[in-house]
Amino acid sequence: NAGVTQTPKFRILKIGQSMTLQCAQDMNHNYMYWYRQDPGMGLKLIYYSVGAGITDKGEVPNGYNVSRSTTEDFPLRLELAAPSQTSVYFCASSPNYGYTFGSGTRLTVV
Amino acid sequence: GQQVMQIPQYQHVQEGEDFTTYCNSSTTLSNIQWYKQRPGGHPVFLIQLVKSGEVKKQKRLTFQFGEAKKNSSLHITATQTTDVGTYFCAALNDYKLSFGAGTTVTVRA
Repeated sequence: NAGVTQTPKFRILKIGQSMTLQCAQDMNHNYMYWYRQDPGMGLKLIYYSVGAGITDKGEVPNGYNVSRSTTEDFPLRLELAAPSQTSVYFCASSPNYGYTFGSGTRLTVV
Repeated sequence: GQQVMQIPQYQHVQEGEDFTTYCNSSTTLSNIQWYKQRPGGHPVFLIQLVKSGEVKKQKRLTFQFGEAKKNSSLHITATQTTDVGTYFCAALNDYKLSFGAGTTVTVRA
């Protein structure tokens, strides 16, 4: 039981490049989330999903896209990376309450 | 989402002392959760509070939900170096958590 697995752990992108942050959970949780955390700040919700095939925007969705084709996977797509997207990205899953977070992806856009 | 404010932003504590961190909302909360994030780590779920006036304990940590369900507190007794990290409260609304900015705790040995 690995919990929530995020890949990659670190990535440097150039402005305008695109990438996908991977997130997978093996706990059969319906709810999955993407948050970003800027230095010294709390977590801001980007997108979330309440089940396979269902996604919705959070507080800060601009510049990102998600899909949820299976219960297990919830990838986050960054199109046309910008310096403002430099952050630590956390994926989380939940059965109802009590999120389980992945170890995060530290992304730098230069 | 519902906004929660945490105070203080930073807490510097002498090892062995007690401290309290607070979480406040302008609206009534149905559910408040607490998380701990160690430096360089990811948030880890500590507790959920749902009832007015609820008090829950985990060893040296005491969590309380206010009678009006607009505030919550985390009290740590006999602080240890293992308590270092950032403590977040978060309000649950429509399956989504809105996090406070956190209280970052450092411990002087």
